Amino acid sequence: EPEVTQTPSHQVTQMGQEVILRCVPISNHLYFYWYRQILGQKVEFLVSFYNNEISEKSEIFDDQFSVERPDGSNFTLKIRSTKLEDSAMYFCASNQGGGAWNTEAFFGQGTRLTVV
Amino acid sequence: LAKTTQPISMDSYEGQEVNITCSHNNIATNDYITWYQQFPSQGPRFIIQGYKTKVTNEVASLFIPADRKSSTLSLPRVSLSDTAVYYCLVGALASGGSYIPTFGRGTSLIVHP
Repeated sequence: EPEVTQTPSHQVTQMGQEVILRCVPISNHLYFYWYRQILGQKVEFLVSFYNNEISEKSEIFDDQFSVERPDGSNFTLKIRSTKLEDSAMYFCASNQGGGAWNTEAFFGQGTRLTVV
Repeated sequence: LAKTTQPISMDSYEGQEVNITCSHNNIATNDYITWYQQFPSQGPRFIIQGYKTKVTNEVASLFIPADRKSSTLSLPRVSLSDTAVYYCLVGALASGGSYIPTFGRGTSLIVHP
């Protein structure tokens, strides 16, 4: 079964540093997403990406964050000047698209980001 | 997006059927109802989706009454491995044209031996 893969599985970084989280969505999918989940809290939407541009973003996704699809397979989330409160699980997801009926998004296993 | 309300937690025992009900009173005409499952430290996983009446797959059944203001996820004969958080999602395409799964708090199901 095709799957979304994320690397690394765990990243530790010092406060103020930049991190790049990487994702390989399912190959024929058209919509890509990043979510985060702070420990013990709900899964929060950050951004969606379609046709090589951001299609939606939440209020969490401010200038500290950026996304990129540098080639035909990778989808990255960059977090600049990391803060302690950025510590969370970050999930990448993809959806095949095709209409309102297709609500099945495939999530990766996540990257646990720890800012120290 | 329609607001959803579901129980915070539920307990069950192995072999029992579990029904988790979600209310979504302001569901829109073109909204689909989707359920996801999440194990600790893993990403959410799609379980089932429906629009109206009943949908069944190899994992679960989804019951949706005619008014669509609620839905019930039914897990037959649960096992310990079904212990997870279950999310009810209601929504369709966002304004930008993409579908955005939007998660609430979910229902934490604990299955006991």
